[in-house]
Amino acid sequence: NAGVTQTPKFQVLKTGQSMTLQCAQDMNHNSMYWYRQDPGMGLRLIYYSASEGTTDKGEVPNGYNVSRLNKREFSLRLESAAPSQTSVYFCASSPGQGGPSNEKLFFGSGTQLSVL
Amino acid sequence: GENVEQHPSTLSVQEGDSAVIKCTYSDSASNYFPWYKQELGKGPQLIIDIRSNVGEKKDQRIAVTLNKTAKHFSLHITETQPEDSAVYFCAARTGFQKLVFGTGTRLLVSP
Repeated sequence: NAGVTQTPKFQVLKTGQSMTLQCAQDMNHNSMYWYRQDPGMGLRLIYYSASEGTTDKGEVPNGYNVSRLNKREFSLRLESAAPSQTSVYFCASSPGQGGPSNEKLFFGSGTQLSVL
Repeated sequence: GENVEQHPSTLSVQEGDSAVIKCTYSDSASNYFPWYKQELGKGPQLIIDIRSNVGEKKDQRIAVTLNKTAKHFSLHITETQPEDSAVYFCAARTGFQKLVFGTGTRLLVSP
């Protein structure tokens, strides 16, 4: 049972380039999330999907877009990367619908992104 | 909105000692307080949580206490082991709102 799988694990971009971070979960969870982790700032919610077919903004959505491709997959896209988006990105999922009202989050192992 | 402060940012202990990490929250309506452990190169993992109708919860060497009046909650790890070395995050949630995480504590347990 793989849980939450993120790809790639590492990525270096130049300012202005675009890329998509992929996330898939095999636990049949309804809700999925994207967080970013920055030193001294904890984990901040970028976007979430409370159920298949829905997406909503978190606290730091600017510069990002998401797609809930199906129940398993939730991707995060950076259209024009900026140095301020250098961070570690975590995908997570939780069993119930309703997004943030869920309690236990299951995290992937993260994507370390550097934007030069 | 909710704000969560976490202290200390780093904590070094000797194997076998106890470790305590403290968090304070701002919204008195917060009712759910989980703790996550993040090992090097991995994502955070839930280790224990507590709800506002409970003052203390234990799971083997880990315990969490909640003081609603003072709006703070703490993680206690007894008989620490090297494998307890990790970054620990507290979080708080108000009703059906999103989790707000603390800034993390790096715990180092020396043999």
